Amino acid sequence: AQSVAQPEDQVNVAEGNPLTVKCTYSVSGNPYLFWYVQYPNRGLQFLLKYITGDNLVKGSYGFEAEFNKSQTSFHLKKPSALVSDSALYFCAVSTLGGYQKVTFGTGTKLQVIP
Amino acid sequence: GAVVSQHPSRVICKSGTSVKIECRSLDFQATTMFWYRQFPKKSLMLMATSNEGSKATYEQGVEKDKFLINHASLTLSTLTVTSAHPEDSSFYICSAGGGTQYFGPGTRLLVL
Repeated sequence: AQSVAQPEDQVNVAEGNPLTVKCTYSVSGNPYLFWYVQYPNRGLQFLLKYITGDNLVKGSYGFEAEFNKSQTSFHLKKPSALVSDSALYFCAVSTLGGYQKVTFGTGTKLQVIP
Repeated sequence: GAVVSQHPSRVICKSGTSVKIECRSLDFQATTMFWYRQFPKKSLMLMATSNEGSKATYEQGVEKDKFLINHASLTLSTLTVTSAHPEDSSFYICSAGGGTQYFGPGTRLLVL
């Protein structure tokens, strides 16, 4: 069985400061890892994914994530947070890209303080 | 990225009635679509995998006779909540795609 853990329900960061949203995963086989963002009463928007290759993945809106196989982590990062980044962030894992079901973490609410 | 639409975005219905939610892939064909349910401040719970031209695959604990899924074409999947009750009130989201799942904007269902 595959699983994702997002240990923080909420992360607060001051505008302009770097942000990190944590994610760890458990899966049999090679992981496909995703980050999505959700704004209130909206669907999920794709940010970035890791399939293979470079451990540092760059995505939309200046976000990036680092795949660490030894620590089974895929933390989301951004060098300088914006107030508009405030939203709910989901980490997800699959074993065959999106062709098989994707398991989501419980989500982390990011609050960027002006 | 690919675009997935849902209709309606919001629906209010009386207890005991049925509600149909549509999920469309607008610029690509999807042999597989996924239906999720999201409770307030909670993660997404996969309900079922919708397969074009065949029966849907339901997750454990999801009543297939209550949540009817039809995937009649490569761009359309429908979820019908039959005999809806207040506990069915939720945010329903569909997704479609290949290597990356793209999500619809969601449907807010309120059963009175």
